[in-house]
Amino acid sequence: AQTVTQSQPEMSVQEAETVTLSCTYDTSESDYYLFWYKQPPSRQMILVIRQEAYKQQNATENRFSVNFQKAAKSFSLKISDSQLGDAAMYFCAYTRGQMNRDDKIIFGKGTRLHILP
Amino acid sequence: ETGVTQTPRHLVMGMTNKKSLKCEQHLGHNAMYWYKQSAKKPLELMFVYNFKEQTENNSVPSRFSPECPNSSHLFLHLHTLQPEDSALYLCASSQRLAGGRDIQYFGAGTRLSVL
Repeated sequence: AQTVTQSQPEMSVQEAETVTLSCTYDTSESDYYLFWYKQPPSRQMILVIRQEAYKQQNATENRFSVNFQKAAKSFSLKISDSQLGDAAMYFCAYTRGQMNRDDKIIFGKGTRLHILP
Repeated sequence: ETGVTQTPRHLVMGMTNKKSLKCEQHLGHNAMYWYKQSAKKPLELMFVYNFKEQTENNSVPSRFSPECPNSSHLFLHLHTLQPEDSALYLCASSQRLAGGRDIQYFGAGTRLSVL
């Protein structure tokens, strides 16, 4: 069974600094997708970034980038130049690449990120 | 605005009440989901509807009853809830294609308190 583990329940970072959130996963599949979702106090889960397992290049979206280590099954999120609006709960998630009807997205437990002014 | 709208945003109900949560998606997706988010717990998938057909029911108590009248609307009917059902209920939608990926888009949730 696939699992997603986020070992840091909470983290804090000074505004304008860089922070890295950790995520590891376990799967026997070779084709899959990984995601980072952000849930701010407004509660809306927002897709931040996604990575296709077959792509070696790490995904980047503005200040957000990932370090995808397929062999180590690690998928960390780096936030550069942290801003107060980045304060949120961050969820790492996994889906199989070729989903069938019964497949579902697997979420980690989340990491709460605090931004210190 | 992500295209998934949930109402109400907050709901307080007694254990004997009957209420419904509503979700509407404007993204043209064919799948919709209900999740329960409790403090210090992972997201719990409750129900999945593919093309209006329920394909997942993760041992959810019968006091939660989903309804999907069309591919854009999803309801969660609640009756005789327990205090431990107090949580954030999130709706999501996605375009599920056979053999394809599933990127889910979420609503803002309904914060439910059961007294």
